[in-house]
Amino acid sequence: DVKVTQSSRYLVKRTGEKVFLECVQDMDHENMFWYRQDPGLGLRLIYFSYDVKMKEKGDIPEGYSVSREKKERFSLILESASTNQTSMYLCASSFSGLTSGANVLTFGAGSRLTVL
Amino acid sequence: ELKVEQNPLFLSMQEGKNYTIYCNYSTTSDRLYWYRQDPGKSLESLFVLLSNGAVKQEGRLMASLDTKARLSTLHITAAVHDLSATYFCAVDGSGTSYGKLTFGQGTILTVHP
Repeated sequence: DVKVTQSSRYLVKRTGEKVFLECVQDMDHENMFWYRQDPGLGLRLIYFSYDVKMKEKGDIPEGYSVSREKKERFSLILESASTNQTSMYLCASSFSGLTSGANVLTFGAGSRLTVL
Repeated sequence: ELKVEQNPLFLSMQEGKNYTIYCNYSTTSDRLYWYRQDPGKSLESLFVLLSNGAVKQEGRLMASLDTKARLSTLHITAAVHDLSATYFCAVDGSGTSYGKLTFGQGTILTVHP
């Protein structure tokens, strides 16, 4: 029944390393999102994608990039990890075509990244 | 820039009591969502509110939306321990079909005997 899968639950990286976070969904959703979750700040949108090879910046894109080469897969890349990128990263997906206009996000289990 | 603010951020309740979590947002939107997150788990959708005056109920939880006041409430009736979790509201102010949601800070609810 798993619908959104994030490849790593826990990662520990060193400052300056390149980090890849992978997300795969099996619901044929058009939209995919990367959020980071920090205590007291809620979830903040990093990037999202509404189609293959399409991406748009969210509210906090600095220091991140993304890749969507296939509809089911959305990757978050930290080119040079820094300590302030220590966080929980949540991937989500949604379907655009509901007649109600609702866009309910389905979330993955999260990837907790620690940068030392 | 859309801002979403929840209060309270921390809520300690006794079993059997009632309480309300408030979600205020800063720009026009008629699409608001409530999510629940259990410790160590991801977010699960609770309610979808898509119009002014919308009310949804599930068990001891009831959510409502007042788009004129830019306010949604999540009311808890006769709290039980199983409701202990973090609750987030989220607003879709994008005006698109992408579902780009802006989340509140979350309310950590603890229900104790």
